[in-house]
Amino acid sequence: SQQGEEDPQALSIQEGENATMNCSYKTSINNLQWYRQNSGRGLVHLILIRSNEREKHSGRLRVTLDTSKKSSSLLITASRAADTASYFCATDHSGGYQKVTFGTGTKLQVIP
Amino acid sequence: EAQVTQNPRYLITVTGKKLTVTCSQNMNHEYMSWYRQDPGLGLRQIYYSMNVEVTDKGDVPEGYKVSRKEKRNFPLILESPSPNQTSLYFCASTRPGSYEQYFGPGTRLTVT
Repeated sequence: SQQGEEDPQALSIQEGENATMNCSYKTSINNLQWYRQNSGRGLVHLILIRSNEREKHSGRLRVTLDTSKKSSSLLITASRAADTASYFCATDHSGGYQKVTFGTGTKLQVIP
Repeated sequence: EAQVTQNPRYLITVTGKKLTVTCSQNMNHEYMSWYRQDPGLGLRQIYYSMNVEVTDKGDVPEGYKVSRKEKRNFPLILESPSPNQTSLYFCASTRPGSYEQYFGPGTRLTVT
């Protein structure tokens, strides 16, 4: 069953604006990851946040995790046209490397 | 260059004709997975492997087989493909200790 659900399903912003995507999940997790997918291509790992962390940064990316609400958000600051892609959260709810469940994704369009 | 390769990239076949999608990684990763991606459903795990000769079912294993005879290769086998297996397939390997998955470029399969 799907663990993560992203919100919104689609987002369109102007270049330079910030983009925020949310992910909700149903059962407790060990960690949560965010991936990016350019149209029809393989996913690329962006960032991982562990269940005992609340916030993490990587370049223009900021991820937060609220385990009490079973939700995470991905913020991309100062967006660029090259950020246009689909973004997926992936939850590890078993502690094992392989039992990772992906959400349905947010499609982000950054207009130059 | 560290990478995950898949072949073929595109395949059109007919119902019932056995096929194999190959996956190979050159990073000496122990953990590998197969996913299928369908519109509105995100990525769903088909099978995973924790090491040579160790495989287990993911969320949607019906109609698929895998084998792991060598660490670098993890082929996906469809013994009798059906139209509902038309999808975009991804192979991934996981960097040890990081949970970060490296994805192949995808195989777009159409079963008529």
